[in-house]
Amino acid sequence: DTAVSQTPKYLVTQMGNDKSIKCEQNLGHDTMYWYKQDSKKFLKIMFSYNNKELIINETVPNRFSPKSPDKAHLNLHINSLELGDSAVYFCASSQDLGSLGAQYFGPGTRLLVL
Amino acid sequence: SQQGEEDPQALSIQEGENATMNCSYKTSINNLQWYRQNSGRGLVHLILIRSNEREKHSGRLRVTLDTSKKSSSLLITASRAADTASYFCATDAGSNYQLIWGAGTKLIIKP
Repeated sequence: DTAVSQTPKYLVTQMGNDKSIKCEQNLGHDTMYWYKQDSKKFLKIMFSYNNKELIINETVPNRFSPKSPDKAHLNLHINSLELGDSAVYFCASSQDLGSLGAQYFGPGTRLLVL
Repeated sequence: SQQGEEDPQALSIQEGENATMNCSYKTSINNLQWYRQNSGRGLVHLILIRSNEREKHSGRLRVTLDTSKKSSSLLITASRAADTASYFCATDAGSNYQLIWGAGTKLIIKP
């Protein structure tokens, strides 16, 4: 029944490792997003996809690579993890891109890089 | 980039009192949204108000929008302990296909 789900919920890893976060939405939405929320709660858009097509790619290190196998899934792969990558990563979806209406968020993935 | 600025940054009130949070933004918008984030959870959409609307209600929530002052307020009436959360405003702010988020107001309701 969960509208937007993310796995894993917690991720603790060593610097230099590669990790992936998965996201799925069952709302039938066309658009999906990845956000990063830092320790001060600032929410920063990283990527958005519309019908599997990359729309927004903000100034994010190219160690971060999103992949959308279909419009219900948007995964995030991170190479060579750094201490500064520690944050909460949220996946979200919205009905479509143009209306910029309500976004539905997943529960977040808490990443801690040691 | 952060366009919205919420005010105050933190607010602590007694249960049963009303809580008011404000959001200011810089450029013209089509709509403004408010979200709630409980500790350790994802954001939850509360209400969307369009630029041609001045006020909107949803249960105990009342949102106003003043486009001439580029500001919005969120009023929560008869607050409850469960309203303890961070509240964020977000605007569409142009055609860049992304919401611009404020830094949030942390609301604490004391029992």
